[in-house]
Amino acid sequence: GAVVSQHPSWVICKSGTSVKIECRSLDFQATTMFWYRQFPKQSLMLMATSNEGSKATYEQGVEKDKFLINHASLTLSTLTVTSAHPEDSSFYICSPGGPTQQFFGPGTRLTVL
Amino acid sequence: GENVEQHPSTLSVQEGDSAVIKCTYSDSASNYFPWYKQELGKGPQLIIDIRSNVGEKKDQRIAVTLNKTAKHFSLHITETQPEDSAVYFCAASMGSGGSNYKLTFGKGTLLTVNP
Repeated sequence: GAVVSQHPSWVICKSGTSVKIECRSLDFQATTMFWYRQFPKQSLMLMATSNEGSKATYEQGVEKDKFLINHASLTLSTLTVTSAHPEDSSFYICSPGGPTQQFFGPGTRLTVL
Repeated sequence: GENVEQHPSTLSVQEGDSAVIKCTYSDSASNYFPWYKQELGKGPQLIIDIRSNVGEKKDQRIAVTLNKTAKHFSLHITETQPEDSAVYFCAASMGSGGSNYKLTFGKGTLLTVNP
């Protein structure tokens, strides 16, 4: 399968600060990037879909001004959680789309104090 | 939109037994059905997938069956081993898995294989 990296793997921040999560597809070019959020013992919930060079499309209920997605290149996408609050604490997973399947990053554990 | 139901939510088996997890979907346009294994603190890993032009697919101890008429698909794991213990997710998508089509996930099954 494809190699996908996320950085950082875990982060703790104070309420009100912003956190940036990077996702890199290391061995293929991803024209589409999906960002998921997963709360403990729950399934993956799609937050947004982005295409390289275009604005992201957000799922219903996901604030686009709070979760900023940048997909500037075919191998790098970033998710910035702005003005983070404790309820934003979650496991964030990126998923670059390949030609016939989607791959998943290892995830980033965000804890907001 | 698509809705995927997954059962059971937890499954405990003895090592060497078989495990079966079932999913149903609602949108008849869905034609790609992957299964993912997620270990604690890690991202999901694709273990097997099936497309709607196929009724069954097998890869060593893992098999998936698809019934398009009934809109359900199942994961079968034979000769289970303790390292199979994880959360398993089914998903459904259109576009035969192409990157432009989002996945809809089931709620997951926690499989525990007891030595």
